Amino acid sequence: GENVEQHPSTLSVQEGDSAVIKCTYSDSASNYFPWYKQELGKRPQLIIDIRSNVGEKKDQRIAVTLNKTAKHFSLHITETQPEDSAVYFCAASIVGGGNKLTFGTGTQLKVEL
Amino acid sequence: DGGITQSPKYLFRKEGQNVTLSCEQNLNHDAMYWYRQDPGQGLRLIYYSQIVNDFQKGDIAEGYSVSREKKESFPLTVTSAQKNPTAFYLCASSYGTLTGQGTEAFFGQGTRLTVV
Repeated sequence: GENVEQHPSTLSVQEGDSAVIKCTYSDSASNYFPWYKQELGKRPQLIIDIRSNVGEKKDQRIAVTLNKTAKHFSLHITETQPEDSAVYFCAASIVGGGNKLTFGTGTQLKVEL
Repeated sequence: DGGITQSPKYLFRKEGQNVTLSCEQNLNHDAMYWYRQDPGQGLRLIYYSQIVNDFQKGDIAEGYSVSREKKESFPLTVTSAQKNPTAFYLCASSYGTLTGQGTEAFFGQGTRLTVV
């Protein structure tokens, strides 16, 4: 089955700096890669996703890049703010293959003032 | 917060008891999922269902059971066979992949189960 590895497990940045979280996946058939943000005690919420037919997607301060050959994808957050502090999860799935998401182990991002 | 609702928010279980966690959605989603979240381990798939009256085991199904009698509902039973049931349980739903749509998964607010 699919295996998703995520690094780093914790990340501290100064407000205004950029943050990068990286994930690798094992199943070359995976074609959908969402990123979820989970604040303490709350449900995960989708912040951005990318499909395998594109290499990059951007939404304001958040961007995701995908390298299908290397089977890795990354989340980039620019101009970080304290409200960006949360746990971020990457995931991978096969559209048409049950759509069951396999998650990474999460990155605790802390944005310091 | 509408769309997918889990209840209760907190649940306490005595050892040896079965408990059932509720998950209801009004998003007209075909697919529903149960995940377990433990500190430092991300979200692990317990069971999933792509359509009514059908479900499949995920990565950690042992000690759990589910049913999918209605499109809107996907209850999870944590049985006494589950050796370490204390965890945060998340239910999710999405458009099913039978139609090839396979898009965003929406999560419920979770149930925190504690064995006492």
